[in-house]
Amino acid sequence: RKEVEQDPGPFNVPEGATVAFNCTYSNSASQSFFWYRQDCRKEPKLLMSVYSSGNEDGRFTAQLNRASQYISLLIRDSKLSDSATYLCAVILSYNTDKLIFGTGTRLQVFP
Amino acid sequence: DGGITQSPKYLFRKEGQNVTLSCEQNLNHDAMYWYRQDPGQGLRLIYYSQIVNDFQKGDIAEGYSVSREKKESFPLTVTSAQKNPTAFYLCASSIGGSLREARRADTQYFGPGTRLTVL
Repeated sequence: RKEVEQDPGPFNVPEGATVAFNCTYSNSASQSFFWYRQDCRKEPKLLMSVYSSGNEDGRFTAQLNRASQYISLLIRDSKLSDSATYLCAVILSYNTDKLIFGTGTRLQVFP
Repeated sequence: DGGITQSPKYLFRKEGQNVTLSCEQNLNHDAMYWYRQDPGQGLRLIYYSQIVNDFQKGDIAEGYSVSREKKESFPLTVTSAQKNPTAFYLCASSIGGSLREARRADTQYFGPGTRLTVL
């Protein structure tokens, strides 16, 4: 089993739709979780850190489910500009700074 | 403006040559990282450094070398021993260091990347 796993997609959704991605992680002791957005041939950019209580930033909501060991990203009212690859990243244990990335989920929003 | 810079943006290398990729940050971050990304794959950690004059191997360090003589700089050398060097190389940094107990200390921010092609 991979340490961090994502469905590669693509997820093709119309503008205005709500879409959700999940990301599973293998180590129950994992402490820090992140969602990054990566546009084609660009660097990943931090979208959100994921907190235990869940957090929201405008149309984006991130949640953590420790019991089932996954994090989720919900995008409401999708825009064409949301088309990108969404990478989840996890620091698997407290005593390391090593961030393990999933392979990413591709989102394509169409008119 | 504060940030992370990488140069060059594109780099072409002949087989058998060593090449050095630059990464500089003016964010006063203690920790710096090098990743490699291949098409359709996630980022894989090559080397990382939590403090000046110290660095550790990541998951795919073979064929690479680094130095951390200054806090701001973390250059990566791709040696001729690296069998498949063509890839997108990303440098990142985080606050790290003595603030690592803070949640935001481990958040990593990326430079724009260098695309290396071996001819």
